[in-house]
Amino acid sequence: EDKVVQSPLSLVVHEGDTVTLNCSYEVTNFRSLLWYKQEKKAPTFLFMLTSSGIEKKSGRLSSILDKKELFSILNITATQTGDSAVYLCAVQGGSEKLVFGKGTKLTVNP
Amino acid sequence: EAGVAQSPRYKIIEKRQSVAFWCNPISGHATLYWYQQILGQGPKLLIQFQNNGVVDDSQLPKDRFSAERLKGVDSTLKIQPAKLEDSAVYLCASSLEGGWNSPLHFGNGTRLTVT
Repeated sequence: EDKVVQSPLSLVVHEGDTVTLNCSYEVTNFRSLLWYKQEKKAPTFLFMLTSSGIEKKSGRLSSILDKKELFSILNITATQTGDSAVYLCAVQGGSEKLVFGKGTKLTVNP
Repeated sequence: EAGVAQSPRYKIIEKRQSVAFWCNPISGHATLYWYQQILGQGPKLLIQFQNNGVVDDSQLPKDRFSAERLKGVDSTLKIQPAKLEDSAVYLCASSLEGGWNSPLHFGNGTRLTVT
């Protein structure tokens, strides 16, 4: 059964700090890994990482995929209070079903 | 482009009652998903449609949950009868193709409370 484990489950930082969120996975016939940001409403898409795209960057957010060690990290630099959210990691394998981790709750204090 | 629309936003019912949720995906998106997200957990797939056909419903509790996607556009998810453990946010998502290279776009969800 496909499995996604995120750590830490929660994290509290101050504005300006840099944070690293972790996602490890076990999946049959890996196809892609996705990161989502969930505030009070719908998860919003951040990045998709595949065999052909193992590093993505957008502004202060960046993510890498290590297919050998089966993990990904999401990095946020110079955090802002608006970054406070739950960050979800999901993987898609041969079944094409997207399996989510429990998420990391990030709180950025002013 | 308009996002995934869901209604209602909130619903409170008593156990053993029935409830239905509605979803309208992004225009042109062939694949539609229903996810259940229990507080403190990641979303769990209930059912996936490709146009109006079911692709995966292996985690749908079929004794009480049902879903349909008539005409391959809108979808409804029904629970009958509801149990306390069905309290969760029900998220609808859609994607262009449903394959591995097509990210999901989520609606705002329906928060169900069963008392």
